[in-house]
Amino acid sequence: GENVEQHPSTLSVQEGDSAVIKCTYSDSASNYFPWYKQELGKGPQLIIDIRSNVGEKKDQRIAVTLNKTAKHFSLHITETQPEDSAVYFCAAAYYGGATNKLIFGTGTLLAVQP
Amino acid sequence: KAGVTQTPRYLIKTRGQQVTLSCSPISGHRSVSWYQQTPGQGLQFLFEYFSETQRNKGNFPGRFSGRQFSNSRSEMNVSTLELGDSALYLCASSYTGTGSYEQYFGPGTRLTVT
Repeated sequence: GENVEQHPSTLSVQEGDSAVIKCTYSDSASNYFPWYKQELGKGPQLIIDIRSNVGEKKDQRIAVTLNKTAKHFSLHITETQPEDSAVYFCAAAYYGGATNKLIFGTGTLLAVQP
Repeated sequence: KAGVTQTPRYLIKTRGQQVTLSCSPISGHRSVSWYQQTPGQGLQFLFEYFSETQRNKGNFPGRFSGRQFSNSRSEMNVSTLELGDSALYLCASSYTGTGSYEQYFGPGTRLTVT
């Protein structure tokens, strides 16, 4: 069935370093890949997304890359800051049919040490 | 523009009771999806409503149901509560216009079943 694997489950970096989180999806029909940041006591916040017709997308310190052949996509955060500390979720979905169903990865707890 | 709102934010119920959770989407958004978040199972899709019709349903028992009103507000109901239903219930709204894929989450309702 549909599945998204996410690694690592925890990641600790020093402030100013880069952080990379990787995901692999199983459904080759997936064409939309969002990333969410969830802080304690809050709902997931959409931080960046990428569609299957694009290989890379960047927004200030965050970027996402997609390898459709390998069914991999990754989140890159540069110049990390303590406020980047949170749980990050990747997700995959197929858009084109009559559904908005997101399949989520298991999450990565990112800790940025000051 | 106001974000997604969910009420109540916290709820404590006893096993066997039923519960109704409410979600108001972002103004202009016509799709509402519900997700269950637990430490063990992560974020799992419950169902999605669009124009008052359920478009897709996840792998949850029939005790979980929902509906959407003409103003796009949605409710989900869980009957005969079990201890395992304790979770954070999140709703997400999306526009579903042409080329619009983004889903925005509310803060969630924390349900505790005792």
